[in-house]
Amino acid sequence: ILNVEQSPQSLHVQEGDSTNFTCSFPSSNFYALHWYRWETAKSPEALFVMTLNGDEKKKGRISATLNTKEGYSYLYIKGSQPEDSATYLCAFTRQGGKLIFGQGTELSVKP
Amino acid sequence: KAGVTQTPRYLIKTRGQQVTLSCSPISGHRSVSWYQQTPGQGLQFLFEYFSETQRNKGNFPGRFSGRQFSNSRSEMNVSTLELGDSALYLCASSFGQGMIQYFGAGTRLSVL
Repeated sequence: ILNVEQSPQSLHVQEGDSTNFTCSFPSSNFYALHWYRWETAKSPEALFVMTLNGDEKKKGRISATLNTKEGYSYLYIKGSQPEDSATYLCAFTRQGGKLIFGQGTELSVKP
Repeated sequence: KAGVTQTPRYLIKTRGQQVTLSCSPISGHRSVSWYQQTPGQGLQFLFEYFSETQRNKGNFPGRFSGRQFSNSRSEMNVSTLELGDSALYLCASSFGQGMIQYFGAGTRLSVL
C-alpha cells in the first residue's frame, strides 16, 4: 500500500507569518510529486509538479522543494495572507501509476 | 479555454439506485481521472482513462465503473448505491500521465 503523509494536519497562523508543510512519500520508483491548493467551494488548483531530485519551484510567495532519495517535499509560504487560507494537497505517482493524494494540510491565516 | 465541466453538480439518490456522472475535459486533454472525496478520507483515486482505455484503477468495488468516449468525455457509473457512496466526486483532466491535473467543480452525491 502506497501512503502519502502530510503534516501538520492543520495550521493557524497570523497574517505576515511564514509557514511550511511537509509531504512524505515512498522513495522507490518515483515519477512525479504534485502540490495543489484547494480553497473552500472551489476546485483543487495545481501549484507545482516536480520530477527531479533537488527540484525547487517558486510561484510568487509560494515555493517547494523535492528530495526523492529520502521521500519528502516541503511547501513554503512566505508572508502568509488571508487569501492563502486553503487546504494544501500533495500527490505522488510512480511511472504508469495512479496519483495518490495525502490527506492535506488545512491552513488558516488570520488578519 | 473552457475548463473541466462536470454534470450534474448535485444529485440525491436513494439506496439501491444507480447513478451516472459526466465529465467533459479541457479540449486537447486525453487523460481523465476520477476521485472520491469524503470527510476524513481525502481524495481517493477511482480510475484513470486515456484514449478510451482504463489505465489505472483504485481500490473500489465493482459497483464503480467508468468509460471514456472518443471525444475524451468520460462517464462514471455507480450501481446499487449505498449510504457510504455519499461523497464529492471530482474529475480531472490532463495531457498525460504524471502531468498537471485540472479539476472540475465536482458532483456532490447524497444517498438517502
